[in-house]
Parts: sequence; C-alpha cells; structure tokens
Amino acid sequence: DAGVTQSPTHLIKTRGQQVTLRCSPKSGHDTVSWYQQALGQGPQFIFQYYEEEERQRGNFPDRFSGHQFPNYSSELNVNALLLGDSALYLCASSRNPTAEAFFGQGTRLTVV
Amino acid sequence: AQSVTQLGSHVSVSEGALVLLRCNYSSSVPPYLFWYVQYPNQGLQLLLKYTTGATLVKGINGFEAEFKKSETSFHLTKPSAHMSDAAEYFCAVIRGLGGYQKVTFGTGTKLQVIP
Repeated sequence: DAGVTQSPTHLIKTRGQQVTLRCSPKSGHDTVSWYQQALGQGPQFIFQYYEEEERQRGNFPDRFSGHQFPNYSSELNVNALLLGDSALYLCASSRNPTAEAFFGQGTRLTVV
Repeated sequence: AQSVTQLGSHVSVSEGALVLLRCNYSSSVPPYLFWYVQYPNQGLQLLLKYTTGATLVKGINGFEAEFKKSETSFHLTKPSAHMSDAAEYFCAVIRGLGGYQKVTFGTGTKLQVIP
C-alpha cells in the first residue's frame, strides 16, 4: 500500500502565478482533506472533498480551490499566488469523512 | 467554536526522563482529540486518539494521553524519552459537523531530547 502520495514534493513559483498540487489517497479511502502549514505553525484546514464535492471549508479565500476526481484523487489550485502562500501543503485521506486521517509527505511551495 | 492551545512551543528533556506535552482545548460539544507527530520534512503521523470511552488512551511508541473533561485537557506523556522521540507534536480537536470533519490543530510543540 503506497499510502497517501503527493506531487510534486517541492515547487517554486512567482508571485501572481497559479499552482496545482496533486494528491492520491490511500487505497480504500474516499475522502481527501487539504491543509496549509506555514513555517513554525500548525496545519490549517483548507477544505475537505467527498464524493467529488467540497464538504467543509476553512478560512481561506476563493483563490484556493480544489477538485476531486472519480478515482478519489484530488487537486488543490491556488490562483494569484502571494508571498504568504509559501508553506507546506498537506493532503490527508480517510475511509469516510469522519474516520481517522492519514497524511502525505506534503508539497513544499515557495513563492518568490 | 473550537480551539486548541499547546503550552510551550519548545520542550527539552533528557534521554530517559518523563515527557509531558500539554494540550488544552475548547469546544462547545464533546470533541474528538488527537495527537500527531511530525518528523522533519515529513507529513503527520497519528500517535493516538480519544473519541469516546476510556479516558486514558495508549498510542504508538509508548505514548499515552488522558482526557480530562473537568480540566479541558489532553496532555501527552511518555515515561522515558528516547532520542528518536525528537520531533514536533501537534494536538488536534476534531468535531463532526453534519457528518463531515472540521479539524483544528494546535501550533505544535517541538520536543528536543538531550543525550
């Protein structure tokens, strides 16, 4: 079992650009959540996807959007990047929306 | 609203000494409480969780935590620290809303283990 896999592992973007991060959930999991972890901070909940729909959302602007595909994989899109978007982005999957979440290794995004 | 407070952003203990990492929560309804560990450049790994039932919860790597409703606390302990325990630890409160999770993490405590 490959666990939760995220790609890419590292990414550098320029302010104002757009970025797409990808997540493949653990086998048997149908729910994907995304978190932003700024340096020295705890993870902040961005949103959760289940049955290809956004079900819960944290306090993030509309520049942050996502998608879940029929195979349960997910993408996180961030438009009009700001320097403050630099962070580790973590994906977590679970068997259902209330079950224990398993985390991927994260994507380190640097905005310059 | 729910929140989590972790007292002490950095904790240092000697190898073999007791580890105590503090977590207090606020929640308007009974919460689910979790402790995660994060090693450098890694994702989060679940150490233990409290949902219902026994208030003393045992997790992996010899860690345990006790849910104390009267103190709104869920402190993490380990009787004897090992060098491999050096990592960052996050307390999280998870509450279901209409069947979906809303997760709030604390700011984390970095544990240093001194040989």
